Amino acid sequence: EDQVTQSPEALRLQEGESSSLNCSYTVSGLRGLFWYRQDPGKGPEFLFTLYSAGEEKEKERLKATLTKKESFLHITAPKPEDSATYLCAVQAAGSARQLTFGSGTQLTVLP
Amino acid sequence: EAQVTQNPRYLITVTGKKLTVTCSQNMNHEYMSWYRQDPGLGLRQIYYSMNVEVTDKGDVPEGYKVSRKEKRNFPLILESPSPNQTSLYFCASTTGGKEKLFFGSGTQLSVL
Repeated sequence: EDQVTQSPEALRLQEGESSSLNCSYTVSGLRGLFWYRQDPGKGPEFLFTLYSAGEEKEKERLKATLTKKESFLHITAPKPEDSATYLCAVQAAGSARQLTFGSGTQLTVLP
Repeated sequence: EAQVTQNPRYLITVTGKKLTVTCSQNMNHEYMSWYRQDPGLGLRQIYYSMNVEVTDKGDVPEGYKVSRKEKRNFPLILESPSPNQTSLYFCASTTGGKEKLFFGSGTQLSVL
């Protein structure tokens, strides 16, 4: 059974204080790993897809990396507008229909 | 504007009273899906549809029905809602690659 575990559950940072969110996964052959951002009262919004170990993707202050067992979402010099819940999901090879999501990390960036 | 539209945004009902949550997308996506989101459990897939008249069960289909008669619409039906179906529901769609899901804004359902 595919599993995704995100840590920490919640993270509070001061503006400008860089940190990383972790996504550990167990999947029978990884087709893709996905990061989404979810703001309160809204649906998740797509950020990145990573396909293979060693791959990295960047968008503004966010950088996602992937190893064979986990992914990190690095946040550099965060701003209050980066406050959101960040969700990680995996898609197994041969299961091209659905994603398995983690419970998310709720990030709060204080001014 | 490309979007997935769900209605209603909030719904309070009583046990056993049939309800439908509508979902519509304007991006001509083949793939559509329903998820429920519960604290500590993450997003769990209820049903999905690969195209018109093609639907299949996700991880938690019990107590739900869906239909896909038109490409743009994918309603979620609760024939006899129960309190354990109180949750936040999201509809999502994507193209054939199924990589970038587009989510609706959610429907908060409370079953009393």
